[in-house]
Amino acid sequence: ETGVTQSPTHLIKTRGQQVTLRCSSQSGHNTVSWYQQALGQGPQFIFQYYREEENGRGNFPPRFSGLQFPNYSSELNVNALELDDSALYLCASSLIGEGTEAFFGQGTRLTVV
Amino acid sequence: KQEVTQIPAALSVPEGENLVLNCSFTDSAIYNLQWFRQDPGKGLTSLLLIQSSQREQTSGRLNASLDKSSGRSTLYIAASQPGDSATYLCAVKSFNKFYFGSGTKLNVKP
Repeated sequence: ETGVTQSPTHLIKTRGQQVTLRCSSQSGHNTVSWYQQALGQGPQFIFQYYREEENGRGNFPPRFSGLQFPNYSSELNVNALELDDSALYLCASSLIGEGTEAFFGQGTRLTVV
Repeated sequence: KQEVTQIPAALSVPEGENLVLNCSFTDSAIYNLQWFRQDPGKGLTSLLLIQSSQREQTSGRLNASLDKSSGRSTLYIAASQPGDSATYLCAVKSFNKFYFGSGTKLNVKP
């Protein structure tokens, strides 16, 4: 158990809809990152939040957005869902810093139909 | 742009064998390297973290090495067990993010 929890574990959405995924970070961690993992691939970095501000972003369109709350929990929002958004979404928490270890949640499996 | 490659993509071995998983990366400017285990449809479990200044780390039957100058890391698993069956992912940290390989899917046969 890493202490990083994500909800929901699975959900199915229709193309064009919007979705919100949630992550509760490990106690004491101030940084949350989100990753998208397509089937058979390694995770791809979406963005990172530190002190409630976006602190780096990968090659994802603006319809992927996020929030970090004062208790360091986080949300990932995806608007105008596309079929290719179907993936496992992973949240990672860590302390800010170069050499810090990241701990991942169990993921949310999103299916867009 | 950092690219991470893992070889082999899949590996099947009998129980008890020692094995080596390989990871290579193109940019040696990394902060650290982490090896993860992923069971089907699940999240990532951290196995070992190697800082950029370190050469290796050990945890139980696992040993990971890092040669930053050549852009290589290996994960050595001793005396493999069926419970070791999973996908193993290598990730290098540059700036704020991890770059992952596509993983090695390991099957340990009883």
